[in-house]
Amino acid sequence: EPEVTQTPSHQVTQMGQEVILRCVPISNHLYFYWYRQILGQKVEFLVSFYNNEISEKSEIFDDQFSVERPDGSNFTLKIRSTKLEDSAMYFCASSDGTLFEQYFGPGTRLTVT
Amino acid sequence: AQTVTQSQPEMSVQEAETVTLSCTYDTSESDYYLFWYKQPPSRQMILVIRQEAYKQQNATENRFSVNFQKAAKSFSLKISDSQLGDAAMYFCAYRRNAGGTSYGKLTFGQGTILTVHP
Repeated sequence: EPEVTQTPSHQVTQMGQEVILRCVPISNHLYFYWYRQILGQKVEFLVSFYNNEISEKSEIFDDQFSVERPDGSNFTLKIRSTKLEDSAMYFCASSDGTLFEQYFGPGTRLTVT
Repeated sequence: AQTVTQSQPEMSVQEAETVTLSCTYDTSESDYYLFWYKQPPSRQMILVIRQEAYKQQNATENRFSVNFQKAAKSFSLKISDSQLGDAAMYFCAYRRNAGGTSYGKLTFGQGTILTVHP
């Protein structure tokens, strides 16, 4: 069964460093999302992406964040200058626009020290 | 803005028994979808069941069923014949129906931790 994959599974970085989180959505999907979950809290929407542009973003998704689909398979989330409060689990999800569901990847755990 | 509320931070159930997890939501939309996701300790988000707001019939997936009360904006999840593998965090989620496409964001509740006792 097709699945969303994410790399790395765990990333440790120092405050102020740039990180890129990578996702490979399901191949025929057209809609892509990033969510984050701070430990013990609810899952929060960050951004949605369709047709090579952002379709919606939350208040969390400020200028420190950017997304890109550099080729036909990868979908990336970049955090330019990480802060301690960026420590969280980051989930990528994708959807084909017909089945209504969003399929989630296993997540990348980001730890900022 | 849409909000989703899960008022039960934790619930527990005996193996083979039935448990119901509560969820309420607030929206001004009439066309939307509701979901229950399961998050085991691995933290993978797994879709359990979904409900289209325009359908009056409650969704059922094997041992999982929902009680969807649109007027009350309530969407509870019933797990029958609970199994040890059902132990997880359960999230209720809302998504508006944006013109029949699924690009809309999911809005999640705070989650309910379900413990299953042998």
